[in-house]
Amino acid sequence: GAVVSQHPSWVICKSGTSVKIECRSLDFQATTMFWYRQFPKQSLMLMATSNEGSKATYEQGVEKDKFLINHASLTLSTLTVTSAHPEDSSFYICSARGLSRNYNSPLHFGNGTRLTVT
Amino acid sequence: AQRVTQPEKLLSVFKGAPVELKCNYSYSGSPELFWYVQYSRQRLQLLLRHISRESIKGFTADLNKGETSFHLKKPFAQEEDSAMYYCALSGGTNAGKSTFGDGTTLTVKP
Repeated sequence: GAVVSQHPSWVICKSGTSVKIECRSLDFQATTMFWYRQFPKQSLMLMATSNEGSKATYEQGVEKDKFLINHASLTLSTLTVTSAHPEDSSFYICSARGLSRNYNSPLHFGNGTRLTVT
Repeated sequence: AQRVTQPEKLLSVFKGAPVELKCNYSYSGSPELFWYVQYSRQRLQLLLRHISRESIKGFTADLNKGETSFHLKKPFAQEEDSAMYYCALSGGTNAGKSTFGDGTTLTVKP
């Protein structure tokens, strides 16, 4: 089955530093990956759509300069939280579409990254 | 705009009781509906999709276009069903994106 690997699982960083989170599709190619933020006991908030070989599409209210997305290959997308602040502390999750690449095919999720900014 | 509503944030039932997690959607077109589940300390994973019309772990969900609903049902809940459940919609107006409901936390008590 399609597996999405997300790394790191958790990270603690100091305010003002940058953190990079990786999302890899291990056994399939993903031209599109999605990045979400999940607050405790709440739903997934889509932050951006990562497109291989082109610019990411950000949702309204998400700062593109703050959350840099790079999708340089068909199996890897990265999210960099730049100049992190405590309010950026959250659970970040990536997902990718399965093998059919059909817009309506199911999503496969990474395990998430718990970011804590001190 | 497409929207998914899960009216119950929390749902608690006893083991062996029937359970129904509600999901309503708004979408102009032919949507594809999914249920995803997140067990404690595990990643989100697909539970079932309406197009498959199959039963997974005893759960079923029927797409009712008239009522714009996709409720998740199980006749006899088990303790291991305790998890967070998300209803999601994919459709042409936001091709490639999925819209998620706020989720329902199901607790099955012994």
